[in-house]
Amino acid sequence: DAGVIQSPRHEVTEMGQEVTLRCKPISGHNSLFWYRQTMMRGLELLIYFNNNVPIDDSGMPEDRFSAKMPNASFSTLKIQPSEPRDSAVYFCASSDRERGQGNQPQHFGDGTRLSIL
Amino acid sequence: EDQVTQSPEALRLQEGESSSLNCSYTVSGLRGLFWYRQDPGKGPEFLFTLYSAGEEKEKERLKATLTKKESFLHITAPKPEDSATYLCAVRANFNKFYFGSGTKLNVKP
Repeated sequence: DAGVIQSPRHEVTEMGQEVTLRCKPISGHNSLFWYRQTMMRGLELLIYFNNNVPIDDSGMPEDRFSAKMPNASFSTLKIQPSEPRDSAVYFCASSDRERGQGNQPQHFGDGTRLSIL
Repeated sequence: EDQVTQSPEALRLQEGESSSLNCSYTVSGLRGLFWYRQDPGKGPEFLFTLYSAGEEKEKERLKATLTKKESFLHITAPKPEDSATYLCAVRANFNKFYFGSGTKLNVKP
């Protein structure tokens, strides 16, 4: 079974450039999450979509960050302009619709390692 | 303030030496507690979901338990392949999700 697919796996770019990270969730999952992981702050939730609609974007650090989910099988996280402090590993995760007791686990991709020079 | 704290930060065990990892939480309304395993260069891999105090889940050498304030991940007779970072995550009210900082486990043969 295909898991969550993220691209690119690695991205190195210069400060000020636009960066776009891509995610394909597991087919049939209706929730999608974007996280950022650093040594200092661990895993932080940036934004959460349910049925393609942003539910909570309170974790998005600044207006330079934006995320979209145009359909159930694709999402992007964009940083414009990028800064060195944005360097981190960015993970996308998806989960199935809640049923019964609810709270389906999140399934993660292998992340995009972003380095801003 | 909602918070998830894991301890210890790092743990070194000899193969076969059982131990426990702790995840304590302070959140407004626990909707579920999750344990994940993360290997270097990979995303977290789901292990267990716990919903209510007293609940236990088991998988091979791992057993997760839950109380009203904390969860434990017990590792029985670990093997070197159990070496990884173990993450605890909590879902709270209002669709809030919090991850702990993890416990890095190293099992020596």
